[in-house]
Amino acid sequence: AQKITQTQPGMFVQEKEAVTLDCTYDTSDQSYGLFWYKQPSSGEMIFLIYQGSYDEQNATEGRYSLNFQKARKSANLVISASQLGDSAMYFCAILPFKAAGNKLTFGGGTRVLVKP
Amino acid sequence: EAGVTQFPSHSVIEKGQTVTLRCDPISGHDNLYWYRRVMGKEIKFLLHFVKESKQDESGMPNNRFLAERTGGTYSTLKVQPAELEDSGVYFCASSTGQVPYEQYFGPGTRLTVT
Repeated sequence: AQKITQTQPGMFVQEKEAVTLDCTYDTSDQSYGLFWYKQPSSGEMIFLIYQGSYDEQNATEGRYSLNFQKARKSANLVISASQLGDSAMYFCAILPFKAAGNKLTFGGGTRVLVKP
Repeated sequence: EAGVTQFPSHSVIEKGQTVTLRCDPISGHDNLYWYRRVMGKEIKFLLHFVKESKQDESGMPNNRFLAERTGGTYSTLKVQPAELEDSGVYFCASSTGQVPYEQYFGPGTRLTVT
């Protein structure tokens, strides 16, 4: 079974500053992927970034980067130079790489509010 | 390329009624997933189709929920009869089934059972 823990229910960040969203996970699988999704107030789930368990380098996608510490089982999302449009819910999720049943297990989410 | 679409965006029904949600995946995506988020709780997996076959339906809460994907294209999720605890947002997602298996989500259907 998989488990994702996001300990920060909500946080404020000043525009143009960086923010780190915490995510720890638990899994017995050796091969898995970690994903971050953004859910703005409009409701859709937007895929942001992916990290594979065997990837040695931390993933980056524009202003998003993933601080992956496998031994600590953490996969924190860093958003640099925050913008007002970054205000949203952010979900961390894990997906085991299996032959079948590749379902996502989500954390409870972190609500981010960017202040001007 | 069109994204995942879901219909309706909102549905308000009375307890005991039937509702059918529809999901159209990204063209060419064989894998289709249903998830749901009940108010204040985590997003939970419901089931997974590969083409028209149910690969995993371990998350379906009970037999009031019926999912189909005839022809391996769009999928429907029927709730019959609806109960108050079924209220929430139902998400559909699709993927190619290739590593890293990223799933692309639709906008969700907000279901309110009164």
